[in-house]
Amino acid sequence: AQKITQTQPGMFVQEKEAVTLDCTYDTSDQSYGLFWYKQPSSGEMIFLIYQGSYDEQNATEGRYSLNFQKARKSANLVISASQLGDSAMYFCAMRRGDDKIIFGKGTRLHILP
Amino acid sequence: NAGVTQTPKFQVLKTGQSMTLQCAQDMNHNSMYWYRQDPGMGLRLIYYSASEGTTDKGEVPNGYNVSRLNKREFSLRLESAAPSQTSVYFCASSERGLAKNIQYFGAGTRLSVL
Repeated sequence: AQKITQTQPGMFVQEKEAVTLDCTYDTSDQSYGLFWYKQPSSGEMIFLIYQGSYDEQNATEGRYSLNFQKARKSANLVISASQLGDSAMYFCAMRRGDDKIIFGKGTRLHILP
Repeated sequence: NAGVTQTPKFQVLKTGQSMTLQCAQDMNHNSMYWYRQDPGMGLRLIYYSASEGTTDKGEVPNGYNVSRLNKREFSLRLESAAPSQTSVYFCASSERGLAKNIQYFGAGTRLSVL
């Protein structure tokens, strides 16, 4: 079955430290896309970063980077120099070959001052 | 700058009542989605629509029906609400295909079934 696994229900990180949020996926599709979304306490879903299965370079968007290891089927999100405003729920998602997008259960990140 | 608009924002139903959650997008996207979000479960796909007139089941379709009225609108109907359907519902849209087609979300509908 195609699925997304986020094994860290919650994380606590000191402000200004880097943080890695884990995501592994399972798919038999050759073509797929991987996303990370942020959901602050206000509830909206905010797109952070995208990685295509054929992209050779790891995606980066400002302080966010995606550590894509295709053979291991992992797509970890790295946030450099964390800020208090990074405290939120983070979801990993995958666009499958049939265009459906499925999500992991999320990781709640707490940034400590 | 409307993006994806969901109505209503909040709703309380009694068991057995019916209701329709409305969703409209103004970005000319082909693909639209309905998800439910429950604590500890992430977002689970209820239904998906690739284009006007087409719908497909997701992970948790039981108890729901959908209608893709036109390219803009994708509604979710609960025919006989049950307490297990208490959740936050999100509608989303995106362009089709495997390029960097970002999924845009509505603000969500918080539904309680008593």
